[in-house]
Amino acid sequence: EVQLAESGGGLVKPGGSLRLSCAASGFTISIYSMNWVRQAPGKGLEWVSSISSSSSYIYYADSVKGRFTISRDNAKNSLYLQMNSLRAEDTAVYYCASPGPRGIAVAGNSWGQGTLVTVSS
Amino acid sequence: EIVLTQSPGTLSLSPGERATLSCRASQSVSSSYLAWYQQKPGQAPRLLIYGASSRATGIPDRFSGSGSGTDFTLTISRLEPEDFAVYYCQQYSNALYTFGQGTKLEIK
Repeated sequence: EVQLAESGGGLVKPGGSLRLSCAASGFTISIYSMNWVRQAPGKGLEWVSSISSSSSYIYYADSVKGRFTISRDNAKNSLYLQMNSLRAEDTAVYYCASPGPRGIAVAGNSWGQGTLVTVSS
Repeated sequence: EIVLTQSPGTLSLSPGERATLSCRASQSVSSSYLAWYQQKPGQAPRLLIYGASSRATGIPDRFSGSGSGTDFTLTISRLEPEDFAVYYCQQYSNALYTFGQGTKLEIK
């Protein structure tokens, strides 16, 4: 069974940092691009960042560019998101998502359960 | 950046009725790059439709997608109780993804 499991969320002060992890099981992420998508409380979905299978191509939403860094370790079947200079508006549930065999145009064929990041003093 | 506008914001229907959800893009979107998701409270999104009209694995055939260019539609032919949820469209262009703001489908 394909599973994605995020971890690393929590409460952090404005200006602080947090590193999210996403562990995949039931499939090998090495052949797929991977995405982070977030959802602020009571709001819609917002794409955050993408990384290609070999890490050659990395993209960010303008709202996080220069503050967040996406990375992956295919040997560990894991995806990461380093979040620096956090702001109150970064408060959200962060989902790890894989387009899988549906192709890169799909943000997520498989999704994790999400991890909550709260930025507050 | 392509902006997706979904309508209506809320749709109130009864089980057994037909639901028609709209997604309009600010610029033309390749049909291959348009997807629909369902999200229930406290759950992650679930892929329903990709490539504008292809159902994802395990999705019942009462769900169908159509459209091209700037206008796309998700149709649920006969609503089941478990279909009441929030629905999002999503497009991919220039290596960026954008989502619509969502349509809440509620029980009348």
